[in-house]
Amino acid sequence: DAGVTQSPTHLIKTRGQQVTLRCSPKSGHDTVSWYQQALGQGPQFIFQYYEEEERQRGNFPDRFSGHQFPNYSSELNVNALLLGDSALYLCASSLISRGGVTGELFFGEGSRLTVL
Amino acid sequence: AQSVTQLGSHVSVSEGALVLLRCNYSSSVPPYLFWYVQYPNQGLQLLLKYTSAATLVKGINGFEAEFKKSETSFHLTKPSAHMSDAAEYFCAVSLQGGGSYIPTFGRGTSLIVHP
Repeated sequence: DAGVTQSPTHLIKTRGQQVTLRCSPKSGHDTVSWYQQALGQGPQFIFQYYEEEERQRGNFPDRFSGHQFPNYSSELNVNALLLGDSALYLCASSLISRGGVTGELFFGEGSRLTVL
Repeated sequence: AQSVTQLGSHVSVSEGALVLLRCNYSSSVPPYLFWYVQYPNQGLQLLLKYTSAATLVKGINGFEAEFKKSETSFHLTKPSAHMSDAAEYFCAVSLQGGGSYIPTFGRGTSLIVHP
């Protein structure tokens, strides 16, 4: 049973560039959430996708956008990169069932972005 | 809105000693509570979760946590630390109510285990 997979694992960009990160959820999961984890900090919620739509969004600017595909995989796009965007970007999958919380998030190992 | 506060950014124990990592939560409605562990260069892994059943929750690797509503706490314990327990630990809270839930994470506590 494949877990959550993310790519690339590491990447380096320069200020002003754009980046796309990819995530495949755990088999059977239908929901993908993205988190940003700065060095020495806890994960901060960026947004969540379900049924190919953004369901909820954290306090992140519009430079951060995403997409979910019919196979439930997801992309995170960041435009006009800033130095402060350097972080570990974590993808987490879960299964939304109607009527209740379904359980914990399953995290990938993350994509470490360095902006120079 | 919900939040968690993890007391102590670093906790240092000797191998074999008791591990106690503190977490206090704030929530306007009954919460769900989680502890996650993150090993270096890895993602987060769930240790245990409280979802309003038993207040004492047992997790993986010998960890457990007790939900105390009166103290708004959900501290993580392990009777005897092992070297392999050295990692970053995150407490998280989400709200009961169904549908999509978004856990809010604390800033983390780094557990250091000395031989």
